[in-house]
Amino acid sequence: GAGVSQTPSNKVTEKGKYVELRCDPISGHTALYWYRQSLGQGPEFLIYFQGTGAADDSGLPNDRFFAVRPEGSVSTLKIQRTERGDSAVYLCASGGSGKGGELFFGEGSRLTVL
Amino acid sequence: DQQVKQNSPSLSVQEGRISILNCDYTNSMFDYFLWYKKYPAEGPTFLISISSIKDKNEDGRFTVFLNKSAKHLSLHIVPSQPGDSAVYFCAARGNNDMRFGAGTRLTVKP
Repeated sequence: GAGVSQTPSNKVTEKGKYVELRCDPISGHTALYWYRQSLGQGPEFLIYFQGTGAADDSGLPNDRFFAVRPEGSVSTLKIQRTERGDSAVYLCASGGSGKGGELFFGEGSRLTVL
Repeated sequence: DQQVKQNSPSLSVQEGRISILNCDYTNSMFDYFLWYKKYPAEGPTFLISISSIKDKNEDGRFTVFLNKSAKHLSLHIVPSQPGDSAVYFCAARGNNDMRFGAGTRLTVKP
């Protein structure tokens, strides 16, 4: 499809397990963002990629969270030793390299940690 | 830290009337502001934006106003329609990232 694709759409895991969430951005978009949205809150910035490099990872809450974008397209958000507080919808967005452009969001991956 | 704030969690208006959604920000480095609309189980979708060099941008029923001195922006929807019922997020863009407010749930009653 032409939009941002995120998989899985839903993930239920147990506390302490490892989770990977995938984002396939719009073709040609150089900017890729990961956000986390908890119930009743706005999207919370996690990390921003420009091409292959993480231009800003200041939003990652701790070292259990890591994201990669090895070829400048698909990105994977990795969460180690999941905790119940990690439960949220994880949103991926992509955009052009221009500073003023809007972001296009995927439908999100809902993570539930039991 | 909450750099972008939407202090009204919800707003209810009658069909045909004006909806005004407000947003405040604290970081003077933000230079581009956007409004997104979100339906349940979907990602946010872009609605309208404004550069910090402007104070107004209009697109059909939607107008965004920016008051830089007050670090305040607002979204006006007129006339409001039931299909406008959704959660509206204000966003502000700086050097690298885009920060979002907590959202305002708009309900337009027929």
